[in-house]
Amino acid sequence: EVQLVQSGAEVKKPGESLKISCKASGYTFNNYWIGWVRQMPGKGLEWMGIIYPGDSDTRYSPSFEGQVSISVDKSANTAYVQWSSLKASDTAMYYCARSHGGNANTPGDYFDYWGQGSLVTVSS
Amino acid sequence: EFVLTQSPATLSLSPGERATLSCRASQSVTNSFAWYQQKPGQAPRLLIYHASNRAAGIPARFSASGSGTDFTLTISSLEPEDFAVYYCQQRSTWPPITFGQGTRLEIK
Repeated sequence: EVQLVQSGAEVKKPGESLKISCKASGYTFNNYWIGWVRQMPGKGLEWMGIIYPGDSDTRYSPSFEGQVSISVDKSANTAYVQWSSLKASDTAMYYCARSHGGNANTPGDYFDYWGQGSLVTVSS
Repeated sequence: EFVLTQSPATLSLSPGERATLSCRASQSVTNSFAWYQQKPGQAPRLLIYHASNRAAGIPARFSASGSGTDFTLTISSLEPEDFAVYYCQQRSTWPPITFGQGTRLEIK
């Protein structure tokens, strides 16, 4: 059974750093792109970026380029997104999702499995 | 900038009625197009992939069609559990992968 299990809720202060995780199981981790999606309170879904675990090829949305860093640890079947200096506007639910199909150069067309979400609250 | 525009923003219907949700792309999209359902407090769930294919476990009352720039999700007869927010998504022109802003389907 494919599962994506995300790390728990975080409460941070502005300026602090943070790394949240998404542990995959039930499939060959290296062969599927993993995307990250932000959902601010009461708002819609925003695609942040995506990574191919096989070679760590990473693409970012222009809106998130330079604001976050996406990475993987293949030995742990885990993807991450991290912030070096959080802002109050980073308060949101963050989802990881597996991109179905695709290949080493291009992700699949849709996200078939989703993590349960990691709530990040940034407040002074 | 590639944009997906969903309409209406909110749709108020009663159980048993038919729901028609639309998503319009600012540029032509291949069949790299999907629909998701999100209920409060839950992660999104894949409903439809490649514009018209139901994902595993999705009831037959959900159907979808479209090509080019205009796509439609139809729920033939609403069940109480169908009231949720629905998002369209494209991967045809990427990066970025794009989501629509969502349509809230609420009970009338």
